[in-house]
Amino acid sequence: RKEVEQDPGPFNVPEGATVAFNCTYSNSASQSFFWYRQDCRKEPKLLMSVYSSGNEDGRFTAQLNRASQYISLLIRDSKLSDSATYLCVVNNRDDKIIFGKGTRLHILP
Amino acid sequence: DVKVTQSSRYLVKRTGEKVFLECVQDMDHENMFWYRQDPGLGLRLIYFSYDVKMKEKGDIPEGYSVSREKKERFSLILESASTNQTSMYLCASSLSNNYEQYFGPGTRLTVT
Repeated sequence: RKEVEQDPGPFNVPEGATVAFNCTYSNSASQSFFWYRQDCRKEPKLLMSVYSSGNEDGRFTAQLNRASQYISLLIRDSKLSDSATYLCVVNNRDDKIIFGKGTRLHILP
Repeated sequence: DVKVTQSSRYLVKRTGEKVFLECVQDMDHENMFWYRQDPGLGLRLIYFSYDVKMKEKGDIPEGYSVSREKKERFSLILESASTNQTSMYLCASSLSNNYEQYFGPGTRLTVT
């Protein structure tokens, strides 16, 4: 099993819809989790940290499921500007930082 | 606001040349990282540093070396560039472990 796995997509979603994608991780000792957003030909930028209790930032909600070892990102009322690649990041107890390969999202007008 | 800058956005070098990529961060971060990103392979860690003069190999250190003489500056060196090192190179910094990373704009290196 790969250390961090994401569905590469692309997810083609109409504007205004809700979309969700997951990221699974293999190391049960993983300590911290993040979602990054990367636009085409740009650097990754932090979207949000993922806390054990889950967290919400406007239209974005991140959840952590330790029992099943995955994190999720939900985007409500999607906008054209949400089109990007979404990377999940997992930090392990041994300080190893692992990036997923990303999920491509296309919001369709 | 954290700022990570990289010395060049685009660079073209010839096979066998020595290449220096520089990265500077202005937030007094302990950790600094060098990645390369290639289509279909995602971000791969080349080297990282958690303190001045300290360095650790990442997943793909072969053909690269690094230098961290000052806390704010982390350099990536290609001793003898090869065509398979054509890639996007991204530098990042973080306050410490378990904290989010901030990325520079990237250097797109082409080796001909």
